[in-house]
Amino acid sequence: DIVMTQSPLSLPVTPGEPASISCRSSQSLLHSNGNTYLHWYLQKPGQSPQLLIYLASNRASGVPDRFSGSGSGTDFTLKINKVEAEDVGVYSCMQALQTPHTFGQGTKLEIK
Amino acid sequence: QVQLQQSGPGLVKPSQTLSLTCAISGDSVSSNNAAWSWIRQSPSGGLEWLGRTYYRSKWNNDYAVSVKSRMTINADTSKNQFSLQLNSVTPEDTAVYYCAEGVAARGYDHWGQGTLVTVSS
Repeated sequence: DIVMTQSPLSLPVTPGEPASISCRSSQSLLHSNGNTYLHWYLQKPGQSPQLLIYLASNRASGVPDRFSGSGSGTDFTLKINKVEAEDVGVYSCMQALQTPHTFGQGTKLEIK
Repeated sequence: QVQLQQSGPGLVKPSQTLSLTCAISGDSVSSNNAAWSWIRQSPSGGLEWLGRTYYRSKWNNDYAVSVKSRMTINADTSKNQFSLQLNSVTPEDTAVYYCAEGVAARGYDHWGQGTLVTVSS
């Protein structure tokens, strides 16, 4: 199975400040078709996970442009330009290159 | 807009079978462009993909090795829903179970509301 490793696991952020989460995979997530099968999710308190970023850098429908994803191969980053109070929750990366799809441990973002 | 509505018991006794159903609206379980998955979240918080079913000229199923011997996912085209059966459950199967729709290139962009299943006598 592909192992996904996130850091940090806890991220206190002051509103208006930027935030960054790292995700590493145990093998490259680049498919021969040119797609990189790395997705980002946010699980707000008491809610189901929601898709933020797909294929490493594409914002899902309705996701504010303060969220951005980057990276390639095995190293990926989720950035929040200016954190807002509504961004609190657990952020998880997930690989979909092969089954079983596997998730990172999750990064809990909290507001200072 | 795809919506997924989960149903099933929240308490299952050890050694018995956990059964959950996910009703689909806004799409077809037989769609050639979708896959229907079950994902669970343990009390410690980690997300674990369990398996999926999808139709591509025929029905296909994939399961995580950790549950493959105990798990069955079925699609019911007459009711436009899919289901999870997990046999011989233990307290380690206690988790919030989610159904989700998505394919590799899109991620899981639709999720059910989640069902907390506790395995306890």
